[in-house]
Amino acid sequence: AQSVAQPEDQVNVAEGNPLTVKCTYSVSGNPYLFWYVQYPNRGLQFLLKYITGDNLVKGSYGFEAEFNKSQTSFHLKKPSALVSDSALYFCAVRDSTGGFKTIFGAGTRLFVKA
Amino acid sequence: ETGVTQTPRHLVMGMTNKKSLKCEQHLGHNAMYWYKQSAKKPLELMFVYSLEERVENNSVPSRFSPECPNSSHLFLHLHTLQPEDSALYLCASSQDRTYSNQPQHFGDGTRLSIL
Repeated sequence: AQSVAQPEDQVNVAEGNPLTVKCTYSVSGNPYLFWYVQYPNRGLQFLLKYITGDNLVKGSYGFEAEFNKSQTSFHLKKPSALVSDSALYFCAVRDSTGGFKTIFGAGTRLFVKA
Repeated sequence: ETGVTQTPRHLVMGMTNKKSLKCEQHLGHNAMYWYKQSAKKPLELMFVYSLEERVENNSVPSRFSPECPNSSHLFLHLHTLQPEDSALYLCASSQDRTYSNQPQHFGDGTRLSIL
């Protein structure tokens, strides 16, 4: 069965500092991994995805994520946080064998302090 | 600009009312989804339609009834809801099964409150 874990409910970081939002996953086949961001009163917005290839994936707004197969992790990172990055972040996994079901993590709230 | 539009954005209804949520996508996608987002809970997949055919129904109570008249429109008909149904209802779309590595595109949701 597929599953996604985001171990931190909230991450606090000072503006200008690097940030990491953690995600681990479990899937029977090869995973397709995604990060989404949700701002208040908005839907989820796609940030980046890992399909295959380079383990470091770059996405929107300066975010990147590192795929680690041995640790079954897909942590979201940004070298220098902005106050405007404060939002709810969701990790998601989909089985590469096909199908429509995407499993979302419970979300991690990122708070960037000025 | 998300390409997925949901109406209404807010809805307050009594438990005996009947109402409908509407979703429209302009992205040329073939699959559409309904999700329920409740506070401090993971996103719950409710229904999936592919090429206007329902392909997933995640044990959703019958008081929720989806309808997909074409690949651009999706409805969620509501009837005799319970207070625990109060939540944010999100619609999403994506390419079909063949392109399962494609992300979903979400609307901004309908905030539903049951009195």
